[in-house]
Amino acid sequence: DTAVSQTPKYLVTQMGNDKSIKCEQNLGHDTMYWYKQDSKKFLKIMFSYNNKELIINETVPNRFSPKSPDKAHLNLHINSLELGDSAVYFCASSPGGSNTEAFFGQGTRLTVV
Amino acid sequence: EDQVTQSPEALRLQEGESSSLNCSYTVSGLRGLFWYRQDPGKGPEFLFTLYSAGEEKEKERLKATLTKKESFLHITAPKPEDSATYLCAHSGSARQLTFGSGTQLTVLP
Repeated sequence: DTAVSQTPKYLVTQMGNDKSIKCEQNLGHDTMYWYKQDSKKFLKIMFSYNNKELIINETVPNRFSPKSPDKAHLNLHINSLELGDSAVYFCASSPGGSNTEAFFGQGTRLTVV
Repeated sequence: EDQVTQSPEALRLQEGESSSLNCSYTVSGLRGLFWYRQDPGKGPEFLFTLYSAGEEKEKERLKATLTKKESFLHITAPKPEDSATYLCAHSGSARQLTFGSGTQLTVLP
C-alpha cells in the first residue's frame, strides 16, 4: 500500500487557470507538508499542517492555499497559475513535528504554459 | 539564518570505491539532522535521523555521523544501485525542514 499518495502525477495547464493537487496519507501521521522542488532540485517547504495549526512559509504567494478536510488529507489549491509556478510539488507526512522523519509522495510535476 | 550546504554537488565513484558526502549546517537549536535519498522521478526516501553530536547510524553500506557543524554520509564499497541524489536537511527552532541542494552520486560498474 502506498503510504503517501498524491494525484495527479503530471499536470499541464495554461497561465491564469486554477488547479488543485490532492494528497492522502495512510500512515496515521499527525503532520502533513507541501514542498516545492525547483529545476535545480532544491526542496523548499511551503506549508506544514498539524492538528489544525497551519505554518506558512512567508515566501509562498497567497495564490497557494492548503486545504485539509481531515487528518489524512492535505490538498493544495493554486489560483491564477503563473509560468514560474512550474515545478515538482511533493506532499509529505510525519508522525510528529519537524523533528521526526517525513515520508514523501511521488510528486506532481506541474507545467504552466 | 538556518542553512544547509552540501558538497560535492556531484560525485562519480567506481563500484567498491568508498567515499563520504558532506553536509554543513547552521541552525538555531538543532532538533534533528536528516538524510534522504532521491531517485529520478520519485520523492525523497528517508534514510537517517541524527539528533546530537557524536551520534552515528548505519544501514547496509551507508553510515551517517554528526558533529556540531557537519554531518557526513559515508558510503562503503558502493554498488551501482546506490546511485541517486542524497539530500541532507535539518529542523531547528523554525520547526521546518531546511534542505540542502543535494549530492548527485553516480556509481559506475
